[in-house]
Amino acid sequence: DADVTQTPRNRITKTGKRIMLECSQTKGHDRMYWYRQDPGLGLQLIYYSFDVKDINKGEISDGYSVSRQAQAKFSLSLESAIPNQTALYFCATSDRTSGGPLGDTQYFGPGTRLTVL
Amino acid sequence: ILNVEQSPQSLHVQEGDSTNFTCSFPSSNFYALHWYRWETAKSPEALFVMTLNGDEKKKGRISATLNTKEGYSYLYIKGSQPEDSATYLCARNQAGTALIFGKGTTLSVSS
Repeated sequence: DADVTQTPRNRITKTGKRIMLECSQTKGHDRMYWYRQDPGLGLQLIYYSFDVKDINKGEISDGYSVSRQAQAKFSLSLESAIPNQTALYFCATSDRTSGGPLGDTQYFGPGTRLTVL
Repeated sequence: ILNVEQSPQSLHVQEGDSTNFTCSFPSSNFYALHWYRWETAKSPEALFVMTLNGDEKKKGRISATLNTKEGYSYLYIKGSQPEDSATYLCARNQAGTALIFGKGTTLSVSS
């Protein structure tokens, strides 16, 4: 079984709809992240959480919100989806207890492809 | 925001060629520099993490160097093979913050 899972894997929705993307991990890591990938733009950080009570904005948080329901779960919401949020979304985890910079090494989920019409 | 720049954006080489690409970053408050390999239709996977000026890391035919004083890292691939075709991402952070990724260098190796 995959250590970091994302649901759904693909989603097509319409402008104005509320969408939630879910991420679960069995790695026991304390840190979780959401990124989006657009062609030619690499990975852009949306939000991250270093533990259950911690939420931090990333580079491009406008139009998104997150919830860290438990150590193993981190969900990303688009309150009112718009077409320029069409992208590939990745969840990732890292393990602070690895120590130092190794604690920042990211382990990525398989991605969710979201299309907003 | 930690601007991480990678060059070239894309690169095409023949099988057996050696190649290298660059990651540039602000040198202030440096903590660590990470390299990832991202194959098409897969998820990014970690290659190296480097922290000290002059660090060199190697994994098979792939190696990386780090210059924290001038703010750059090089990734080298010796004797490129078609299976090396991927996008190579670098990322850096300050202590206690999340990684900020560059846009990547996409390598295509023809047989």
